Amino acid sequence: ETGVTQTPRHLVMGMTNKKSLKCEQHLGHNAMYWYKQSAKKPLELMFVYNFKEQTENNSVPSRFSPECPNSSHLFLHLHTLQPEDSALYLCASSQPPTDTQYFGPGTRLTVL
Amino acid sequence: EDQVTQSPEALRLQEGESSSLNCSYTVSGLRGLFWYRQDPGKGPEFLFTLYSAGEEKEKERLKATLTKKESFLHITAPKPEDSATYLCAVQDFRGGSEKLVFGKGTKLTVNP
Repeated sequence: ETGVTQTPRHLVMGMTNKKSLKCEQHLGHNAMYWYKQSAKKPLELMFVYNFKEQTENNSVPSRFSPECPNSSHLFLHLHTLQPEDSALYLCASSQPPTDTQYFGPGTRLTVL
Repeated sequence: EDQVTQSPEALRLQEGESSSLNCSYTVSGLRGLFWYRQDPGKGPEFLFTLYSAGEEKEKERLKATLTKKESFLHITAPKPEDSATYLCAVQDFRGGSEKLVFGKGTKLTVNP
């Protein structure tokens, strides 16, 4: 595997389900990010982790819970989501102080 | 608050018909301006980073330029495989944040 990988690529869940999204980067980077991309809206930054420490939480509802066990892996735990949470969830990584972020393919989430 | 506006929202070109995409931005102190390409159902693919007014970068048929208020992505003699959504993002110096603020993108369609 190379670059940034995300699993699953597609996820359908009910509002009462609990699921997790996984991201893994193979670039040796130390910063990882979660973004949300909804139709007709710009990418929205959700969380930033630097060297496994959360450095930014962009006012994200508590039904989204990130976890970063090491610099290569990032998870987004989901519970009691709403239909408006349906979107493409993108993971990215970068190597500070270089600013360029490299993105994974995304997980298409549908909440019924 | 940082803002990024991309125009036009959508652009249709004939193969070989050159054109430009615009990214206007408002930022307190520009740390970097980024261009990405995104194909349907995929994550954004990094194209360029520009750091200061007057800077230009080229890659195949694409050339990115930067002024103090806007950036242009020039596409010379485009081919159908250049069809994609092109995203612009800015990063500022405030607080050493890695946060990128994205525009909504320009959807480019190149007809054969």
